[in-house]
Amino acid sequence: DVKVTQSSRYLVKRTGEKVFLECVQDMDHENMFWYRQDPGLGLRLIYFSYDVKMKEKGDIPEGYSVSREKKERFSLILESASTNQTSMYLCASSPRTGISGKLFFGSGTQLSVL
Amino acid sequence: QKEVEQDPGPLSVPEGAIVSLNCTYSNSAFQYFMWYRQYSRKGPELLMYTYSSGNKEDGRFTAQVDKSSKYISLFIRDSQPSDSATYLCAVHRGAGSYQLTFGKGTKLSVIP
Repeated sequence: DVKVTQSSRYLVKRTGEKVFLECVQDMDHENMFWYRQDPGLGLRLIYFSYDVKMKEKGDIPEGYSVSREKKERFSLILESASTNQTSMYLCASSPRTGISGKLFFGSGTQLSVL
Repeated sequence: QKEVEQDPGPLSVPEGAIVSLNCTYSNSAFQYFMWYRQYSRKGPELLMYTYSSGNKEDGRFTAQVDKSSKYISLFIRDSQPSDSATYLCAVHRGAGSYQLTFGKGTKLSVIP
């Protein structure tokens, strides 16, 4: 069974802290994505990566960075967490070939910044 | 104008009802149209997938795309309480594009 695993289900951090959200996929997918999901705003793309060490900005990259040192792992970094980054964070992956737009999502990390 | 518009609901229907969920999109470049289903406290999962205009049926679910009016629909027949979830439409430009654009999602409750 295909799997995208996010390291934490719930996370509480303080303003100004550096936060790492980890995502691992076991499907040998080339593409990986980080979204945030907020009530009334839907899913918004933060960053994506189409290969190891490659990254592209999505729609809302400000305040975030990413790291992809290995194919299976994609990390989202909040350099200095702020309260407006309280959100549900969803990681996803997809293969380079196959159905365009078919993403496999993790279960999400609910981050609260106090 | 937002690229994808979707009524957030919530929508509440009795068990056995036919459910109609809809989205509109603005850019004619989109070629692939999807519906994702998201249960509470879970990530979205792909439910239906359509390329270009037309209908696609899978059991109780039918996805419909009308590219001339830029309108996407999902119909659920004989709705069940287990269909209670948030349904997100999504559009994709196709090969060469990595980005998927989502609607905001419609929360559906099917009451026994």
